[in-house]
Amino acid sequence: GAGVSQSPRYKVAKRGQDVALRCDPISGHVSLFWYQQALGQGPEFLTYFQNEAQLDKSGLPSDRFFAERPEGSVSTLKIQRTQQEDSAVYLCASSHRRVSNSPLHFGNGTRLTVT
Amino acid sequence: SQQGEEDPQALSIQEGENATMNCSYKTSINNLQWYRQNSGRGLVHLILIRSNEREKHSGRLRVTLDTSKKSSSLLITASRAADTASYFCATPPSSNTGKLIFGQGTTLQVKP
Repeated sequence: GAGVSQSPRYKVAKRGQDVALRCDPISGHVSLFWYQQALGQGPEFLTYFQNEAQLDKSGLPSDRFFAERPEGSVSTLKIQRTQQEDSAVYLCASSHRRVSNSPLHFGNGTRLTVT
Repeated sequence: SQQGEEDPQALSIQEGENATMNCSYKTSINNLQWYRQNSGRGLVHLILIRSNEREKHSGRLRVTLDTSKKSSSLLITASRAADTASYFCATPPSSNTGKLIFGQGTTLQVKP
């Protein structure tokens, strides 16, 4: 596709449920990032992949959060036993190089609401 | 944690006026980027300025960088209603992975 695609666009989960959020990066992009954005705030870094390798997961808020990118393209962010504080927009971004001067291309995000 | 802080948090202007947003950051950087986010959408890259550059232009955008003050500004000239969005500065941390740390953003409203 032409851009980064995320699904679902919206997700409502009851507290305690598990959720899985999907990201399809731009084809050929080496780097993939997940960010969490609370209402009215800037995106907060969660985790980073270079191809299939998860090189940085320092931003994952707890061990309930897990991300994978098994074949170096599509990525899934899984949140187990969701809590109300997990409600946020989850943004995925990709870039075609692994250097800091390569712009990030973002998807439109998944808005997660935990009730 | 946020690296950059934008100022002001919110800005409201009339169409045709100029809008200036400022960003301060904490650590040494090799570049600084500005992104725009329309409501309910993802972020879109606007411009990148390297640490050895002081000013950069792209269309109606002008970005300055002062590494001695650890600050940057984004100027949008002759604003349009379509410029209404949130604007974020972003900087890479010391590790060269492509990861970016974003500020809190400035919400710009341009009234027609």
